[in-house]
Amino acid sequence: QVQLQESGPGLVKSSETLSLTCTISGDSFRNYYWDWVRQPAGKGLEWIGRIYVSGSTNYNPSLKSRVTMSIDTSKNQFSLRMTSVTAADTAVYYCAREDYSSTSWIWFFDLWGRGTPITVSS
Amino acid sequence: QSVLVQPPSASGTPGQRVTISCSESRSNIGSPNVNWYQQLPGTAPKLLIFASTQRPSGVPERFSGSKSGTSASLAISGLRSEDEADYYCALWDDSLNAWVFGGGTRVTVL
Repeated sequence: QVQLQESGPGLVKSSETLSLTCTISGDSFRNYYWDWVRQPAGKGLEWIGRIYVSGSTNYNPSLKSRVTMSIDTSKNQFSLRMTSVTAADTAVYYCAREDYSSTSWIWFFDLWGRGTPITVSS
Repeated sequence: QSVLVQPPSASGTPGQRVTISCSESRSNIGSPNVNWYQQLPGTAPKLLIFASTQRPSGVPERFSGSKSGTSASLAISGLRSEDEADYYCALWDDSLNAWVFGGGTRVTVL
């Protein structure tokens, strides 16, 4: 059974850099996109970005200047780095897998991690 | 740039049918092709419907999706207490090269 597991520091100081890792178990990177999505407490989902197995990335335009994603196929991990964090970045961060339907020509999130809470302190 | 608009809440009694809309702000692009996700309290989202109408294996038949005009809809038939959750629509915006989520709809079973 394929599983995703986020890992992170839990607490980050304002203006510092947040680093998160998602470990994939039970499968390889293959032909999927791998994403980060966050959710502030009591609020909706916000897409952060995605990376393909080739290393190609797309980022949320509102976060693009602060976000970098990378992939480590040898460790079956992908990572998120977000610079200059503020209280507004406090949220639960999810990693997720995007799969593709060749019959419907659409990508969708078919697998999610449990999420890791991140608090930015001043 | 896409904005997906969902009603903040919806409710029904057990057994009823509840419908949630997802309207795309750019009225000239036709029917949006969206995915729907269910988020039970304290858990990660789960795929419910993809490509507006397709149900993944394992999702009960009482969940169905449709689209018409500039809106997509999710219907829950035979509402159950375990359907109390937040529901989100999402689409890929080709102009932004980004995923856009609707604001979410909280479904309450009365």
